[in-house]
Amino acid sequence: QVQLVQSGAEVKKPGASVKVSCKASGYTFTSYGISWVRQAPGQGLEWMGWISAYNGNTNYAQKLQGRVTMTTDTSTSTAYMELRSLRSDDTAVYYCARILAGYSSGRFDPWGQGTLVTVSS
Amino acid sequence: DIQMTQSPSSLSASVGDRVTITCRASQSISSYLNWYQQKPGKAPKLLIYAASSLQSGVPSRFSGSGSGTDFTLTISSLQPEDFATYYCQQSYSVYTFGQGTKLEIK
Repeated sequence: QVQLVQSGAEVKKPGASVKVSCKASGYTFTSYGISWVRQAPGQGLEWMGWISAYNGNTNYAQKLQGRVTMTTDTSTSTAYMELRSLRSDDTAVYYCARILAGYSSGRFDPWGQGTLVTVSS
Repeated sequence: DIQMTQSPSSLSASVGDRVTITCRASQSISSYLNWYQQKPGKAPKLLIYAASSLQSGVPSRFSGSGSGTDFTLTISSLQPEDFATYYCQQSYSVYTFGQGTKLEIK
């Protein structure tokens, strides 16, 4: 079955960077994009950006431009999201999701299980 | 950016009730509207896409309607497993989510 499995929880200090992985299985990785969404504690969902697993093209949310980088490793069917210059308000659960039917006009299914990133001094 | 506003923010209902959640876009998004269900501690799950198409495996008691700026998610007869938070998402201009509607047991 189609599955996305994310890396484990992280604790980082303000100013540090974090890199979260998302390993795909059960489908042809390069045929779809991967989107990243985060959810601060008790809050709603915030779209962060997407990456094409076919050619590496990216589209980032304006709010995160300059701090976020999304990459893929097609040899291992894994997507990565790196966030730099971490602040306390970056504390959140980070999700990856497969994009169906168009990178910027599609829908997300399935989702990874989520990775909690805690930013604290 | 396109803003998505859901109402109500929270809702109390009983098993067997018919429930409707509304989502309004700040500009026309045609039918580029998806609905997700999220249970505590779990990832969101796709329910409805393109405003009214039921995702495979989702029970038929869930339905979606609307186009342009106004959309609804309807649950025809609430089941115990439906108590969760629901989010709309526009996919007309990249992606934006609504703030969520928490559906609680009355």
